[in-house]
Amino acid sequence: DGGITQSPKYLFRKEGQNVTLSCEQNLNHDAMYWYRQDPGQGLRLIYYSQIVNDFQKGDIAEGYSVSREKKESFPLTVTSAQKNPTAFYLCASTTGPGGNQPQHFGDGTRLSIL
Amino acid sequence: GENVEQHPSTLSVQEGDSAVIKCTYSDSASNYFPWYKQELGKGPQLIIDIRSNVGEKKDQRIAVTLNKTAKHFSLHITETQPEDSAVYFCAAPGYGGSQGNLIFGKGTKLSVKP
Repeated sequence: DGGITQSPKYLFRKEGQNVTLSCEQNLNHDAMYWYRQDPGQGLRLIYYSQIVNDFQKGDIAEGYSVSREKKESFPLTVTSAQKNPTAFYLCASTTGPGGNQPQHFGDGTRLSIL
Repeated sequence: GENVEQHPSTLSVQEGDSAVIKCTYSDSASNYFPWYKQELGKGPQLIIDIRSNVGEKKDQRIAVTLNKTAKHFSLHITETQPEDSAVYFCAAPGYGGSQGNLIFGKGTKLSVKP
């Protein structure tokens, strides 16, 4: 079955530590996205990538970094500069520019601070 | 850029009743409007979408209506069942700085009481 796989499901970060969240898709989609979800806040865009080796900042990129070396993979690093990292992180993908196509989501990674 | 407002934030109905969730958008050029359902601990799943060349779309107990003049679209769920309980999100295409992305509403938590 085609889909988006996020791992791990749960992740804990220590003070001053960088952590990386994995997102892999086998849908042959060009565009991939990272969202942060907090209670009552909906989905806020962190970073997105419309093609390999290119990515753009979203609305809340500070304290995060990404890479897009392969079409299938779009890992997100939560750096120590992100002072409030506790949230549910969602990865999505779509066939083309995502404004006019449905986005397909993974099942998320819940990040907490130790 | 696009602004998407979603109401209500919470909705409680009796099993068998109908539920209606409404979203408004700001950009008259927006032409694609998806609805997502998110169950606890999972990623959002697309349940229905509509493009601006039609005013209504149905899929069994779910329907979406679009009023381009008033710039709002609504999700209608008839004969609600306990398994409809979830958080529902609307979205619209972002333009300007958010071009190529979807802008999400803040979500509606639907509770269906047996």
